[in-house]
Amino acid sequence: AQSVTQLDSQVPVFEEAPVELRCNYSSSVSVYLFWYVQYPNQGLQLLLKYLSGSTLVESINGFEAEFNKSQTSFHLRKPSVHISDTAEYFCAVSHQGAQKLVFGQGTRLTINP
Amino acid sequence: GAVVSQHPSWVICKSGTSVKIECRSLDFQATTMFWYRQFPKQSLMLMATSNEGSKATYEQGVEKDKFLINHASLTLSTLTVTSAHPEDSSFYICSASKPGTEGTEAFFGQGTRLTVV
Repeated sequence: AQSVTQLDSQVPVFEEAPVELRCNYSSSVSVYLFWYVQYPNQGLQLLLKYLSGSTLVESINGFEAEFNKSQTSFHLRKPSVHISDTAEYFCAVSHQGAQKLVFGQGTRLTINP
Repeated sequence: GAVVSQHPSWVICKSGTSVKIECRSLDFQATTMFWYRQFPKQSLMLMATSNEGSKATYEQGVEKDKFLINHASLTLSTLTVTSAHPEDSSFYICSASKPGTEGTEAFFGQGTRLTVV
């Protein structure tokens, strides 16, 4: 069975400060890893994903995440956040070849001016 | 990308009535769709896997007679909450899987907020 742990339920940061949202997973098989963002009362939007290849993946809005197999982690980072980044962020994992996603508990990112 | 549309975006119903939520893949065919439930300030919990042309596969603890899932076509899955009660109030989100060059990706609907009064 797979599981995902997001260690921080809430992360408050000041605008233009760097941020890291932590995600650890457990799985006995190879996995795909995802970060999704959810704005209030909306569905989920894919932020970035790791399927294979380079362990560092980037999104178009400045976020990046690094797959670390030895530490079973997929932490999300951004060097300088904006007010518009305020949202709930979910880390998720799926089996390679499967389609079901297992989600972490979510991290609420709050940006203060 | 791909578009998944969920309807309605919110609904209020009386206790004891049934509510149907639709999930459509607008620009691709989805043989598999998923239904999730999200309680306030919590994560998404998978309820069931909806397979086109066959019965849905429910996760442990989900009442299949209460949450009826129909996947009659490659672009539409419906979730019907039967005899709804206040404890069924929640945010329901669907996703549809689309095969891609780098594996299958899930695209999510915008969610439906159900309030049972």
